[in-house]
Amino acid sequence: DAGVIQSPRHEVTEMGQEVTLRCKPISGHNSLFWYRQTMMRGLELLIYFNNNVPIDDSGMPEDRFSAKMPNASFSTLKIQPSEPRDSAVYFCASSPGGDTQYFGPGTRLTVL
Amino acid sequence: GENVEQHPSTLSVQEGDSAVIKCTYSDSASNYFPWYKQELGKGPQLIIDIRSNVGEKKDQRIAVTLNKTAKHFSLHITETQPEDSAVYFCAASNTGNQFYFGTGTSLTVIP
Repeated sequence: DAGVIQSPRHEVTEMGQEVTLRCKPISGHNSLFWYRQTMMRGLELLIYFNNNVPIDDSGMPEDRFSAKMPNASFSTLKIQPSEPRDSAVYFCASSPGGDTQYFGPGTRLTVL
Repeated sequence: GENVEQHPSTLSVQEGDSAVIKCTYSDSASNYFPWYKQELGKGPQLIIDIRSNVGEKKDQRIAVTLNKTAKHFSLHITETQPEDSAVYFCAASNTGNQFYFGTGTSLTVIP
């Protein structure tokens, strides 16, 4: 079975540019999570969706970050404009409901 | 909110020895405790989990124990192998959605 798919795997951009990260959850899973991982702050939950509806976005650092889930098989995390402090690995995870979350391989973002 | 503390931050063991990683949590309402293994350049992978109605769970060389009274849980890896080298994260949850992660333990198994 295909796991959570994320693209791109690596992204290098310049400060001020728009960045879009993409995620395809595991088929049949109804919850989707976006995390950010840094050495300083560890794994942080940014936002999660249940049945395509955003439930809690309190972890989104600021208005420059936005996330959408237009359908059950696709989600995006957008940063506009990007800043060097946004450099991190961004993970998407999905869950079939209940507890267990399955993580994707991550997108390593570098903002110069 | 929930606060999860994880110790140690680094751990080195000889191949064949056991490794133990401990986590404490603060919210007595937490009822689900997964453990994730993260290898370099990869996403966290669930290796074992335990729910609050169980005190211990085992899967081959991996076991997790939970003490709800003391609010702590531990990961035990026996007969360690070099491929067990990775970063391990504990987490606690009381809603099934919001995971609170520990800060991670970098385990090195020395051949």
